[in-house]
Amino acid sequence: DTGVSQDPRHKITKRGQNVTFRCDPISEHNRLYWYRQTLGQGPEFLTYFQNEAQLEKSRLLSDRFSAERPKGSFSTLEIQRTEQGDSAMYLCASSFTSGIEQFFGPGTRLTVL
Amino acid sequence: GESVGLHLPTLSVQEGDNSIINCAYSNSASDYFIWYKQESGKGPQFIIDIRSNMDKRQGQRVTVLLNKTVKHLSLQIAATQPGDSAVYFCSQGSSYKLIFGSGTRLLVRP
Repeated sequence: DTGVSQDPRHKITKRGQNVTFRCDPISEHNRLYWYRQTLGQGPEFLTYFQNEAQLEKSRLLSDRFSAERPKGSFSTLEIQRTEQGDSAMYLCASSFTSGIEQFFGPGTRLTVL
Repeated sequence: GESVGLHLPTLSVQEGDNSIINCAYSNSASDYFIWYKQESGKGPQFIIDIRSNMDKRQGQRVTVLLNKTVKHLSLQIAATQPGDSAVYFCSQGSSYKLIFGSGTRLLVRP
């Protein structure tokens, strides 16, 4: 399967714990995006990378959130000191720089107890 | 602020009928609009896009109409099939960011 993959698919954690998610984009894609999706809502943009450079972060991305893409390939999204309000589906997508179609992964569903 | 909204949260259609999903948007500066389909437990899947300088685009069984005058976007699905059952999102984008609406659930009755 050469699509976008995410790991883990599900994560249950206790409030206050740190969690880290991984995204492997389509290998030829320069851009990688992170979105958050809550139940019944559309995905909300969090941040994106052009190769290894993080070029924009949404206001939704508080100081507890950090994303990296160290070698311009896979990316990680870490949430520190998780809160119940962080419970959501975290989606990763990738695209070509010049392409408008973003290819989404299956998401990581986070539940904070 | 920017927003993309949908008129109906749920649409129920008979298998074989045509479906029309509507969407209103507020940001006139978008370069393009994209419809995504999301099935349960999966990420959004691209259906069709339309550039802001177009008013109609057709794909396989799908047509997207863009009315910039009233800031309205619609997705028409011809001969709706059970496999079309999903949540549909319209989104608007420019350069890199997509702004999604809250979605319409399409239910296909056998």
